[in-house]
Amino acid sequence: DADVTQTPRNRITKTGKRIMLECSQTKGHDRMYWYRQDPGLGLRLIYYSFDVKDINKGEISDGYSVSRQAQAKFSLSLESAIPNQTALYFCATSEPGKNIQYFGAGTRLSVL
Amino acid sequence: GNSVTQMEGPVTLSEEAFLTINCTYTATGYPSLFWYVQYPGEGLQLLLKATKADDKGSNKGFEATYRKETTSFHLEKGSVQVSDSAVYFCALPTYSGGGADGLTFGKGTHLIIQP
Repeated sequence: DADVTQTPRNRITKTGKRIMLECSQTKGHDRMYWYRQDPGLGLRLIYYSFDVKDINKGEISDGYSVSRQAQAKFSLSLESAIPNQTALYFCATSEPGKNIQYFGAGTRLSVL
Repeated sequence: GNSVTQMEGPVTLSEEAFLTINCTYTATGYPSLFWYVQYPGEGLQLLLKATKADDKGSNKGFEATYRKETTSFHLEKGSVQVSDSAVYFCALPTYSGGGADGLTFGKGTHLIIQP
């Protein structure tokens, strides 16, 4: 089984809909991250969390929100999806003090 | 924050060719440097890392040397295989304080190896 699991793997939604992407991990790491990947732009950080009570905005947090339900679960929400949020979304984890990150397989989101 | 620039692709090579993917960085101090690889349909995975100047990271036949004089961390492989076809990302911590606030990635280099 994967150490970092993202659901769903693919999602098509319509403009204005609320959508949640979920991430769970079995690595026991405190730190979790959400990135989006766009062609030609690499990965950009949306939000990150150092523990259940510590959530921080990343480079491109506008239009997104997150919830850290437990050490193992970190969800990303789009309250009102728009077409330019069409992208590949990745969740990642890391251990405190270590910059090596472990990634899930990604969620491909299309907003029509 | 720190930043990284890597050569853009796609890079197309024949099997057994020599590979270099350039990566240069701008950073405060001397943070760890990373190369991640993304195979088709998968998430990123760590390929190799170097934690201090002059360190050489290596894995799966790939190598990269942390060169502070030229602020570079170029990825090399002596003889590529079709299975090396993937997207490669150079990365470093967004901030050099060691707080693991996240990584800053280059835009990625798509490598295509033809038989």
